[in-house]
Amino acid sequence: DGGITQSPKYLFRKEGQNVTLSCEQNLNHDAMYWYRQDPGQGLRLIYYSQIVNDFQKGDIAEGYSVSREKKESFPLTVTSAQKNPTAFYLCASSTQALGGSGYTFGSGTRLTVV
Amino acid sequence: GESVGLHLPTLSVQEGDNSIINCAYSNSASDYFIWYKQESGKGPQFIIDIRSNMDKRQGQRVTVLLNKTVKHLSLQIAATQPGDSAVYFCAENRGGEYGNKLVFGAGTILRVKS
Repeated sequence: DGGITQSPKYLFRKEGQNVTLSCEQNLNHDAMYWYRQDPGQGLRLIYYSQIVNDFQKGDIAEGYSVSREKKESFPLTVTSAQKNPTAFYLCASSTQALGGSGYTFGSGTRLTVV
Repeated sequence: GESVGLHLPTLSVQEGDNSIINCAYSNSASDYFIWYKQESGKGPQFIIDIRSNMDKRQGQRVTVLLNKTVKHLSLQIAATQPGDSAVYFCAENRGGEYGNKLVFGAGTILRVKS
């Protein structure tokens, strides 16, 4: 079955460490996105990528970095510069032609700083 | 900045009643809107979408209404069931120089009482 996979489901990070969250899709989608969700809030866009080897900052990119070396993969690194990284991180992919209904979300990674 | 927002943070309804969840948006140039359902610890699940050239769209037990004059959309759920309990988000699909991206509102918690 086609889908989008995020790993790990839970991640613990010590202060000052960088961590990388994985996002893989086999839907042949061109675009991929990373969102952050804090308790009781909506999703905020961190980074997005429309094609391989290209990506754009979203609304809250500071303290994060991404790469898009393959169409299927869009890993997110939470760096030590991110002062409040504890949150639920969601990855999504889409086909541009379908617009909103073409967005597919992963099941998320819950990151906790200890 | 411009955003998509919700009127009511929490909505409690009796099982079998109809539910109405509201959303206001501020970007008059947006031409596509989506409603998502999110259960605890999971990624958003697509419910229904609507394009700006439509006023109403119906799905299975759900209806989305769009009022462009007042920049308001709503999600109506008929015969609400306990399984409908979740957080509901409206999202606005915005096109731009770097392609499409979704902008989310804060969400409404729907609680269904048996």
